[in-house]
Amino acid sequence: EVKLQQSGDELVRPGASVKMSCKASGYTFTDYAMHWVKQSPGQGLEWIGTIIPLIDTTSYNQKFKGKATLTADKSSNTAYMELSRLTSEDSAVYYCARGAFNNYRVMDAWGQGASVTVSS
Amino acid sequence: DVQMTQSPYNLAASPGESVSINCKASKSISKYLAWYQQKPGKANKLLIYDGSTLQSGIPSRFSGSGSGTDFTLTIRSLEPEDFGLYYCQQHNEYPWTFGGGTKLELK
Repeated sequence: EVKLQQSGDELVRPGASVKMSCKASGYTFTDYAMHWVKQSPGQGLEWIGTIIPLIDTTSYNQKFKGKATLTADKSSNTAYMELSRLTSEDSAVYYCARGAFNNYRVMDAWGQGASVTVSS
Repeated sequence: DVQMTQSPYNLAASPGESVSINCKASKSISKYLAWYQQKPGKANKLLIYDGSTLQSGIPSRFSGSGSGTDFTLTIRSLEPEDFGLYYCQQHNEYPWTFGGGTKLELK
């Protein structure tokens, strides 16, 4: 069974950074891309970026360049996203999602989401 | 960026009925549209990609159609587990963008 287990919810201060994780199981981690998606309260979904763990290649939505940094640890089958210089606009639920094998641009498995609340 | 507009925003229906959800792109995206279902406490689920290709394991009562700028998700003979939020996503060009969502509610 494919599973993406995300780290827990975070409460962070404005200006700080947060790093969240997404541990993959049930498939070969390096065979698939990993996307990250933001869902702001009551809002729709925004694609943040994608990492291809096999070659450590990333692509970002221009809107999130400088805000999000995607990395992956092949030894632990874990993808990470760090968000920096947090503001209230970054309060949201963040999802990791696997890119489909035959079509990496669609997301065929999702994590449960991790909530980030930015507040002093 | 390609803007994706879904309609209706809310949709109320009863089990057994058929419903359609629309998604309109601000420019042509060829056939490259996906549909997802979101339900509380459950992982988001890919339903359809490439406009009309049913994802493995998804019941055949779900179908997708359209190309260019106009797409439709149709659910025939609604089951109780089909109620929730539905999103479209264009996967034609960067950045991938999503529609605002349609809430399918029990009438």
